[in-house]
Amino acid sequence: SAVISQKPSRDICQRGTSLTIQCQVDSQVTMMFWYRQQPGQSLTLIATANQGSEATYESGFVIDKFPISRPNLTFSTLTVSNMSPEDSSIYLCSVDGQPRGYTFGSGTRLTVV
Amino acid sequence: SQQGEEDPQALSIQEGENATMNCSYKTSINNLQWYRQNSGRGLVHLILIRSNEREKHSGRLRVTLDTSKKSSSLLITASRAADTASYFCATDGTGFQKLVFGTGTRLLVSP
Repeated sequence: SAVISQKPSRDICQRGTSLTIQCQVDSQVTMMFWYRQQPGQSLTLIATANQGSEATYESGFVIDKFPISRPNLTFSTLTVSNMSPEDSSIYLCSVDGQPRGYTFGSGTRLTVV
Repeated sequence: SQQGEEDPQALSIQEGENATMNCSYKTSINNLQWYRQNSGRGLVHLILIRSNEREKHSGRLRVTLDTSKKSSSLLITASRAADTASYFCATDGTGFQKLVFGTGTRLLVSP
C-alpha cells in the first residue's frame, strides 16, 4: 500500500495567518482526500483533490478558506487561510489503497492562538 | 448528516477481556472499514468487509456486517494494553470513493 509523508506534524499559528500542509505519496494516485478532525471528534471530509482539476469541496467547506493544490499525481497541499481558534484541529490527507483500505498521513495538529 | 453512529462512545476493560464496538450507518455501501487511531495521530486500516460478506477475521479481530440492519460490529479478543486507541468505522458508499466516518469508540485497556 502507498506511504504518505505529511508535514508539518504540528504547528502553533497566530490568528489571521495561513498554514500550508503538504502530503507526498510514494506512488501515483488519482484522488487524494483531505479530512479535518476537530478535538475529540470524528473525521470530516473537507475536499477531494484530483490532479489537473479543481478540488471538490464538501458542504460547509469553501475554496477561499481551504485552497487545495494538486500539481501532480503524487503531491497535494491544503492551506488553512485566515485562521481562527475554531480552525484548531488535526488535518489529515488520505489516498485510496483498496483493496486494503485507505492510507492516511500521520496528521497535522494545528493550534491557532 | 451522513455520519454513522458508533457505540459505546467509550469502553474501559481489563487486559485479556474482549472488546466489542458497534457501528450503524445510513446509506447503501460498497464496503465498511474499521480504523484505529492512537493519540490523535494518523489512522491505521484494520479490516475491510464488503457488502456481500457477513463476517471477516484478521488475527484477534472479528468483524460482522448486517446490511439489512445497516450495522457492523468489531470484536477484539484477548485485548492488550497496546489496543488502547480510538476505533472508527467508515463506509464507502456505492458510486463514491470518499469515506464517511462514524463517531468513534475510545477504548482503554488497563493492564
